[in-house]
Amino acid sequence: DAKTTQPPSMDCAEGRAANLPCNHSTISGNEYVYWYRQIHSQGPQYIIHGLKNNETNEMASLIITEDRKSSTLILPHATLRDTAVYYCIVRVAFGGGKLIFGQGTELSVKP
Amino acid sequence: DAEITQSPRHKITETGRQVTLACHQTWNHNNMFWYRQDLGHGLRLIHYSYGVQDTNKGEVSDGYSVSRSNTEDLPLTLESAASSQTSVYFCASGDSEETQYFGPGTRLLVL
Repeated sequence: DAKTTQPPSMDCAEGRAANLPCNHSTISGNEYVYWYRQIHSQGPQYIIHGLKNNETNEMASLIITEDRKSSTLILPHATLRDTAVYYCIVRVAFGGGKLIFGQGTELSVKP
Repeated sequence: DAEITQSPRHKITETGRQVTLACHQTWNHNNMFWYRQDLGHGLRLIHYSYGVQDTNKGEVSDGYSVSRSNTEDLPLTLESAASSQTSVYFCASGDSEETQYFGPGTRLLVL
């Protein structure tokens, strides 16, 4: 599975969009980009995933560059409850489901 | 509603004792996983299973074992608890390329 690089921490003002970047320059053609988050003391929570097209769901949007070497998770209107560690993970689909977690980005949403 | 549960949520034990942490899911997922989370290390995979009677070692499997006798359960056993195994343990389940769903975690303290 490809490695990912994320900034260790970011701040965002409440109500503004939070844009979390992730570099995955060694991603393979059959690897998906997954985003999870972990709110303090809770189990990780799935947010969104994609292969090469941009994806949107009720929680967030995922923008993947055309060369697929990087992606951005967008929380359109961040709230205090979005304060969490966000993990970007790449893995092969139908590859057994193993997730290899990196250090993630600690997002602090401030009033 | 389908869910994943872990028990106990908190456990204190002594060095050398055998400890078993339970994980139960009602999604009928084939894949189940155990992770541990420590400060400075993030989430690390201990063991995983792709179905009944199947078990595999993850990156930090020494001192741990699992068994899969049915689809719903994957108990994690610490054969002889050590202080280095003090951690928060998360169980997860999923299927193929689907997302993984994490349990609430078990906080284990080994004295």
